[in-house]
Amino acid sequence: DARVTQTPRHKVTEMGQEVTMRCQPILGHNTVFWYRQTMMQGLELLAYFRNRAPLDDSGMPKDRFSAEMPDATLATLKIQPSEPRDSAVYFCASGLSTGKLFFGSGTQLSVL
Amino acid sequence: AQSVTQLDSQVPVFEEAPVELRCNYSSSVSVYLFWYVQYPNQGLQLLLKYLSGSTLVKGINGFEAEFNKSQTSFHLRKPSVHISDTAEYFCAVSDPQIQGAQKLVFGQGTRLTINP
Repeated sequence: DARVTQTPRHKVTEMGQEVTMRCQPILGHNTVFWYRQTMMQGLELLAYFRNRAPLDDSGMPKDRFSAEMPDATLATLKIQPSEPRDSAVYFCASGLSTGKLFFGSGTQLSVL
Repeated sequence: AQSVTQLDSQVPVFEEAPVELRCNYSSSVSVYLFWYVQYPNQGLQLLLKYLSGSTLVKGINGFEAEFNKSQTSFHLRKPSVHISDTAEYFCAVSDPQIQGAQKLVFGQGTRLTINP
């Protein structure tokens, strides 16, 4: 089965450290999304790409977060410097047809 | 701007009983509507979607949802639930006019717990 792969599954780091999360979308999908899930805020869209071009990153704190797609098989989400309030589960999703997104299993980030 | 309200944060139900998870949306334009399910420690999976046509939409695992434009609702139903349906359920909306309609706005989620 084709699936979205996210690494790492879990990350524990200290405040101020750089965190990089990676996502391998399903081959052939042309849109990639980054979502953040917390108990308080639920699912928030951070950024998304179509054909590797960023379409919307309005949900992302620009001063510390950055999202890129260096090639069609890799999307990255970077936090520098990380803060305790960044602790959450970060999901990557990819898609092709209207509304049907395939989600990865997420990266659970804890910033101490 | 679009928004989604899931009226119940938690719904406990006995096995084999029917269930309805409620979802209301707010939008000034036509919408696409979705239900996704999240099992523990997993990502979300699409249950069903409404794009156009029949207002009753059938999805996987015996779930169905009905689009009601006048009430701006898209409630999810299942006539008889199983223990394996225990999960978090998310309603989502997108604008067909914007960027391929894939920018989804999710509700806060409803945790469905099935008791034996």
